[in-house]
Amino acid sequence: DSGVTQTPKHLITATGQRVTLRCSPRSGDLSVYWYQQSLDQGLQFLIHYYNGEERAKGNILERFSAQQFPDLHSELNLSSLELGDSALYFCASSVVSANSGANVLTFGAGSRLTVL
Amino acid sequence: GQQLNQSPQSMFIQEGEDVSMNCTSSSIFNTWLWYKQEPGEGPVLLIALYKAGELTSNGRLTAQFGITRKDSFLNISASIPSDVGIYFCAGLRNYGGSQGNLIFGKGTKLSVKP
Repeated sequence: DSGVTQTPKHLITATGQRVTLRCSPRSGDLSVYWYQQSLDQGLQFLIHYYNGEERAKGNILERFSAQQFPDLHSELNLSSLELGDSALYFCASSVVSANSGANVLTFGAGSRLTVL
Repeated sequence: GQQLNQSPQSMFIQEGEDVSMNCTSSSIFNTWLWYKQEPGEGPVLLIALYKAGELTSNGRLTAQFGITRKDSFLNISASIPSDVGIYFCAGLRNYGGSQGNLIFGKGTKLSVKP
């Protein structure tokens, strides 16, 4: 158990629908990252939140949005779903390493989204 | 955007053999990380490298941070069946202070035949 909790584990929905994926970071971690993993694209960075504020955006579609709440859990909202949105969505949280000041990301087990 | 080229894409080896995989980039990274992902799980950190030229071991795993800061390799010695999985390299892209996100390679899928 990595300490990063993601729900739901599996989700099947139809095109055009909207879903919300939830992530609870490890205790004490202030940063939450969202990644999308599809077969042909590997792990793609979507968005990073730190202590409730957006810090960076990656390849996140306008149909997708995220937020981090005061208790530090985060939600990723995916709307107007398309077949191509089917993927594994990972959340990761991080603590700054004492070694170098670099972030070390710890990943959850992922949410598998299937859009039919 | 920044891309990491990871090779090989897949490997089929016999138990007991050594394995080597590498990652190259056109951009410089200040931190390289190697993760392993097993089916149904998220990536798990294996080794983190923080300095150019650094060579770090974790059991049968050894990784090096290239001198140019544009490449890294991971070696696995005396492979065993539980080494099966997908191995990802990742470079840390900093954007202010200690904040940053990871850019991942596309992974090396390792299969080990007993």
